[in-house]
Amino acid sequence: DTAVSQTPKYLVTQMGNDKSIKCEQNLGHDTMYWYKQDSKKFLKIMFSYNNKELIINETVPNRFSPKSPDKAHLNLHINSLELGDSAVYFCASSQDRQGAWETQYFGPGTRLLVL
Amino acid sequence: DQQVKQNSPSLSVQEGRISILNCDYTNSMFDYFLWYKKYPAEGPTFLISISSIKDKNEDGRFTVFLNKSAKHLSLHIVPSQPGDSAVYFCAARAMNRDDKIIFGKGTRLHILP
Repeated sequence: DTAVSQTPKYLVTQMGNDKSIKCEQNLGHDTMYWYKQDSKKFLKIMFSYNNKELIINETVPNRFSPKSPDKAHLNLHINSLELGDSAVYFCASSQDRQGAWETQYFGPGTRLLVL
Repeated sequence: DQQVKQNSPSLSVQEGRISILNCDYTNSMFDYFLWYKKYPAEGPTFLISISSIKDKNEDGRFTVFLNKSAKHLSLHIVPSQPGDSAVYFCAARAMNRDDKIIFGKGTRLHILP
């Protein structure tokens, strides 16, 4: 029974395209995150939503737009994809935004390759 | 600017021996530290954590040591088992409570038979 799921697992696309990555958690958590792991292997937070409200928005190009239709879903839409967007994108969730960092549950990742 | 540094990209340890993974940090505002373990094609999973008010936390085969004056922490795994082969990420959170966790680049641990 998957706790945090992401679709698709792999995404290969051309530069300039628009694509979305979906994330769903069935843990009843209030907070969801998007992380990017780039070619240098750094895992960096991009966004965080708590009960559908944006609470963390790192210095990410505005081509990236998260959307949270409900607290179980946090989708990531990327416009005008660039080569540098190639990375692994991880979705995560936690019970709340205060103190429960150790219980961030991560999805399996979406491997995005922009050609 | 790497606030959390894992200077060893990989480490090989004989099965049954102790594995020691190191992590250094630069931000003195960090008050909570975590280790995550990651298998290929999976997301990171939480392993163990330590608050800055402690210098040691133990959970079964896993012990994390914190040396605040040196801004250094380490994860000890003893005895090492084949299933411990994975990438280990050190992570930290700052006192300003902006809910962000800063991750290191990870160290790939190979347990040799």
